[in-house]
Amino acid sequence: KNQVEQSPQSLIILEGKNCTLQCNYTVSPFSNLRWYKQDTGRGPVSLTIMTFSENTKSNGRYTATLDADTKQSSLHITASQLSDSASYICVVSDRGSTLGRLYFGRGTQLTVWP
Amino acid sequence: KAGVTQTPRYLIKTRGQQVTLSCSPISGHRSVSWYQQTPGQGLQFLFEYFSETQRNKGNFPGRFSGRQFSNSRSEMNVSTLELGDSALYLCASSFSGWIYEQYFGPGTRLTVT
Repeated sequence: KNQVEQSPQSLIILEGKNCTLQCNYTVSPFSNLRWYKQDTGRGPVSLTIMTFSENTKSNGRYTATLDADTKQSSLHITASQLSDSASYICVVSDRGSTLGRLYFGRGTQLTVWP
Repeated sequence: KAGVTQTPRYLIKTRGQQVTLSCSPISGHRSVSWYQQTPGQGLQFLFEYFSETQRNKGNFPGRFSGRQFSNSRSEMNVSTLELGDSALYLCASSFSGWIYEQYFGPGTRLTVT
């Protein structure tokens, strides 16, 4: 069964600290993996998209890694800010065509305290 | 470039009523996808429209329907509302399709009482 599991479910960190969010998937075949940031009451915003051949991708203080062999991805946030408080959602697509499907994780709720 | 817009932003309906939500995609985007998001289930795919045709559909009952107009604007309709339909409804637009880069709107918060 194709699934996307995220951990932890929630996380609280202090401003300025680093943190890492995990995403494990069983989706096959694999086309790409995306990380989205969703502020409360808003729509998700794309942070990174990685294909099979990409191991690391950065977007400012956000760095995503992908290990396609173990089917694991992580999102590392450096020097966290209060504005990083949001839900982070991992999404995996199974093929790069209009016949493909997207599989969504339940998200990690990150809270950054001052 | 203007982003994806959704109207209304908030809506309160009574069980048994029907509702229509609207989504205007980014200019030039031909694909519009709809999602339901609840705390218990997370994001769930409803359907995708591309050039006025429904191209993909999720596992939702027939009470959920949609359409897309020639200007790519899309509407989603839910008939015979149930309490469990209370959710944030998101639409996302894309140039080529939902499998590719998508841009989400702010969502419509539907509450069914």
